[in-house]
Amino acid sequence: SYELTQPPSVSVSPGQTASITCSGDKLGDKYACWYQQKPGQSPVVVIYEDNKRPSGIPERFSGSNSGNTATLTISGTQAMDEADYYCQAWDSSTASFGTGTKVTVL
Amino acid sequence: EVQLVESGGGLIQPGGSLRLSCAASGFTVSSNYMSWVRQAPGKGLEWVSVIYSGGSTYYADSVKGRFTISRDNSKNTLYLQMNSLRAEDTAVYYCARGKYSSSWYFDYWGQGTLVTVSS
Repeated sequence: SYELTQPPSVSVSPGQTASITCSGDKLGDKYACWYQQKPGQSPVVVIYEDNKRPSGIPERFSGSNSGNTATLTISGTQAMDEADYYCQAWDSSTASFGTGTKVTVL
Repeated sequence: EVQLVESGGGLIQPGGSLRLSCAASGFTVSSNYMSWVRQAPGKGLEWVSVIYSGGSTYYADSVKGRFTISRDNSKNTLYLQMNSLRAEDTAVYYCARGKYSSSWYFDYWGQGTLVTVSS
């Protein structure tokens, strides 16, 4: 199976920028998407196709993907952004999720 | 409005079987790409299976040969038949709709149904 690795946790101060990485073999050759999951809730897509935002997702969420690493960036982080974040990509008709990153807004 | 409502979870003994359902509204299941994703307590997301609109199915290695994804077009419902259940299958199971834009991503998720495998 295709492995995607994320840092377990990221801490950020309100108003600052949080960056979450997702590493996988030749991930830049695939499309990556990102999901936000708050406690007790279902995941919500915040970035798809590397850098596209679904309607309703704030502009402070952005993404990039190159080489072996995809990155989710949250600019001007707000307290409401505190959540778990998962990257996801497809490989040979099977999906893989990243290990997940807990973002804490201090 | 798109809605996905899972049901069928519960407590089951190791080796037992369970069928999960995901009732969809606001769109047609058979015309879409649908997946099951699970999350063990306190753990991350794990993709389980997908069924394409054409009927092709794929599974994670961890469930291959034990789980079967299917759909009932007349009921607009997605299913996951789970056999030979193990303790490590304990998780919240979500159904999710796939949307295509150069690649697939999950644009709608259900609320999940909890499956507990324990004696």
